[in-house]
Amino acid sequence: EVVLTQSPGTLSLSPGERATLSCRASQSVTGSYLAWYQQKPGQAPRLLIYGASSRATGIPDRFSGSGSGTDFTLTISRLEPEDFAVYYCQQYVSSPLTFGGGTKVEIK
Amino acid sequence: EVQLVESGGGLVQPGGSLRLSCAASGFTFSSYSMNWVRQAPGKGLEWVSSISGNNNYIYYADSLKGRFTISRDNAKNSLYLQMNSLRAEDTAVYYCASASPSDYWGQGTLVTVSS
Repeated sequence: EVVLTQSPGTLSLSPGERATLSCRASQSVTGSYLAWYQQKPGQAPRLLIYGASSRATGIPDRFSGSGSGTDFTLTISRLEPEDFAVYYCQQYVSSPLTFGGGTKVEIK
Repeated sequence: EVQLVESGGGLVQPGGSLRLSCAASGFTFSSYSMNWVRQAPGKGLEWVSSISGNNNYIYYADSLKGRFTISRDNAKNSLYLQMNSLRAEDTAVYYCASASPSDYWGQGTLVTVSS
């Protein structure tokens, strides 16, 4: 099983600042089959990034993903008020599919 | 417009059973593998099970130990999750979602296992 560890657990930032979220895998995620989701309270997750770096349909370009192998990063270039939420990474290269524990981006 | 609508959640006693349904519309359901993902109150996301579009491939989280069964009826554009021998730790919001990377999600249905 691929274990995904997200850090930090909580990120306290102000609107307009840059957010950098990390997702580290216990073994290589071949083919970069890694996705990032955003979840707001009471809502279903929303796909942001797939294939480690491809933005999903309708996702603003302030969201970017990078990385390969075991180290992946989600960057939000300038935080908008609507970006404060919890973010999860997920690997979908092999079963069991696994999610990271999440990073909460909160308003400082 | 793509829609996934879950139903069937509710309060059930430990050891009981529930069958969740997910009605799909707005896309060619039979062409998509589908997932069930759950989220315990205040916790993160946990993958539960996946099924391919033609039912040929089915996968489960090891933690379920044979208690859950995923199925689908492509003629009815519906996905199902039969849950047996329910435990308190199965309490969660259950989401149906298109195969990972999941760009389609339902709104979720809450399952509460409690006496």
